[in-house]
This record gives sequence, structure tokens and C-alpha cells, in this order.
Amino acid sequence: AQKVTQAQTEISVVEKEDVTLDCVYETRDTTYYLFWYKQPPSGELVFLIRRNSFDEQNEISGRYSWNFQKSTSSFNFTITASQVVDSAVYFCALSEGNSGGYQKVTFGTGTKLQVIP
Amino acid sequence: DVKVTQSSRYLVKRTGEKVFLECVQDMDHENMFWYRQDPGLGLRLIYFSYDVKMKEKGDIPEGYSVSREKKERFSLILESASTNQTSMYLCASRPMGEGMGTEAFFGQGTRLTVV
Repeated sequence: AQKVTQAQTEISVVEKEDVTLDCVYETRDTTYYLFWYKQPPSGELVFLIRRNSFDEQNEISGRYSWNFQKSTSSFNFTITASQVVDSAVYFCALSEGNSGGYQKVTFGTGTKLQVIP
Repeated sequence: DVKVTQSSRYLVKRTGEKVFLECVQDMDHENMFWYRQDPGLGLRLIYFSYDVKMKEKGDIPEGYSVSREKKERFSLILESASTNQTSMYLCASRPMGEGMGTEAFFGQGTRLTVV
């Protein structure tokens, strides 16, 4: 069975600090995708990034970077020089399989990030 | 701009009432989902639909049903609301043909309180 673990329930940092959000996953499939979503106070989840299981290249997008390591089944997300607008709940998700046309997506429990001015 | 719209942001209903949560997407997506979000539990899948009139149970379907009469609309029904169904409900859509690597698009959520 697939599983996504976000062990950090809540994190508080002071503005301009760097922060890393951890994500550990479990799957038996060799082909799968990992995602990060951001949920600001408005409620709507917003897609940030996807990674497939064959691409272990790290990615940087502005202040955001992602570290995918299959050896440790982790897909961690780092925000550099955090800003108040980064305050949100962040979800890691795993997509695998294909059952009747549906690809099951499992979400982690989320990490609430508070950036203090 | 692609959009998933949920009919209400906040709802307060009484125990035993029949409750309808509506979701509409304008992206012509085949897949639509209803999730429930609770603190410490993340997002849990209630039901999903991969085509008109088609539905599949997710992880926590008990106490819920769904309806998909048109491709763009997916309704979640609480047949007899109970206080343990107080929660945030999120609707999402996703295209079928692009495989498991396609991201989902979410609505803004409906916070339902059952009193």
C-alpha cells in the first residue's frame, strides 16, 4: 500500500530563514509521481511541482528547491529566505498505479508553515 | 484561467439533514474527486468519478454518496448529516489521458459544520 509521511506537523520560522519540509513515501511500484501542493489560508490547494520516479534531478525554482532521493524514499522541499506569503499548509502527494483509468493519489497529512515577520 | 468552483465556502446544517455539496469545473476533465480534510489526517478520498454517471468509492465513502450527471459537475451528498461529518470538503479535477503525472486542480473548499 502506498503511504506518504510528513512528520512535521507545524513549523515556525522567522522571515528570511531557510526552511525544509520533509516528505517520506512508501510504494511498491517502480513507476510513480510525487507532488507538492500549497494550501494558503484561502483554502484552495495549488500545485507546486511534480517529479517522476525516473528523474532524481533536484530542481530549483526561484526560492523553492526540491531534493528527490529514491535511496531514502524522500522528496523534501526547501524554501530559501522565507517570506510571510509562504505561510500555508504544504502537502506532499504520491501518484501511482492505474486502476480502471484512475491513478490513485495519496496525500500526506500536511505541514503547516508559519513565517513570522 | 482554469477553475474548479464549489458552490459554498461555508455551510451550517442540522443533524439529520440531507446536504448537497456542488462542484463545477470548466476544464473538460474526465476525473473528478471529493476529499475530506481534517487536522492531523490530511486529505482523504471520499469518492471519485472518471466519467459521467460513473463513480468509485474512495477510502472513506460511508455516509456519503455522489452524483455526476454532467461532465462538468460532481455533487457530494450527505444522506443524513451527522456531527462527525463536520469538516472541510475539497473538490478536485484531473484529466484522464495524461497519466499519473498530471496534477489535480482544486476548488476553494467548503467548510461544513453539522450542529
